[in-house]
Amino acid sequence: DTEVTQTPKHLVMGMTNKKSLKCEQHMGHRAMYWYKQKAKKPPELMFVYSYEKLSINESVPSRFSPECPNSSLLNLHLHALQPEDSALYLCASSQGRGRGFSNQPQHFGDGTRLSIL
Amino acid sequence: GENVEQHPSTLSVQEGDSAVIKCTYSDSASNYFPWYKQELGKGPQLIIDIRSNVGEKKDQRIAVTLNKTAKHFSLHITETQPEDSAVYFCAAKVLYNNNDMRFGAGTRLTVKP
Repeated sequence: DTEVTQTPKHLVMGMTNKKSLKCEQHMGHRAMYWYKQKAKKPPELMFVYSYEKLSINESVPSRFSPECPNSSLLNLHLHALQPEDSALYLCASSQGRGRGFSNQPQHFGDGTRLSIL
Repeated sequence: GENVEQHPSTLSVQEGDSAVIKCTYSDSASNYFPWYKQELGKGPQLIIDIRSNVGEKKDQRIAVTLNKTAKHFSLHITETQPEDSAVYFCAAKVLYNNNDMRFGAGTRLTVKP
């Protein structure tokens, strides 16, 4: 079992639906990440939150909207997605303390497998 | 930006043999190199990492070596077992790019009993 919990594990939605992915960690980490992973490909970074503030947005379409309500929670709000958005969405966290946090390990959840009809 | 190349893309070994996966990176500023194992239906799991001030690190059957001059690092698994079968990703951390971490394309390792 991982220490980063993602819900739901699977999600099927239509292109007009609005849904949210949730991620939770209780390791006291202050940096949290969203990645997208297509089949047989490595994870691709989407968003980074550091101390609850968005620090990196890798030119992700606005139909993906991240939210970090507190240091333990990370959400990804989905709206008007396209079939090509079907993928495994991974959440990760790392310590995120001070300037040295750039080389701290990231811990991943098991992801939400998203299918867009 | 950082570019990480990983090879081979697939690797098949007999149980008990060793497996080696190699990665190269392009940005000399990278200072942190983790390796992840991803099993079917799971997220990537950190198995070992190395920082640029160290040339080699070992944890039981797993070892990682780093050559900063050549900008390459390798994962070595000895005495492989069927449960080592998975996709392995290397990654390199770009120091000045906040939290950005670049992954290699992955290696599918199959250990035959």
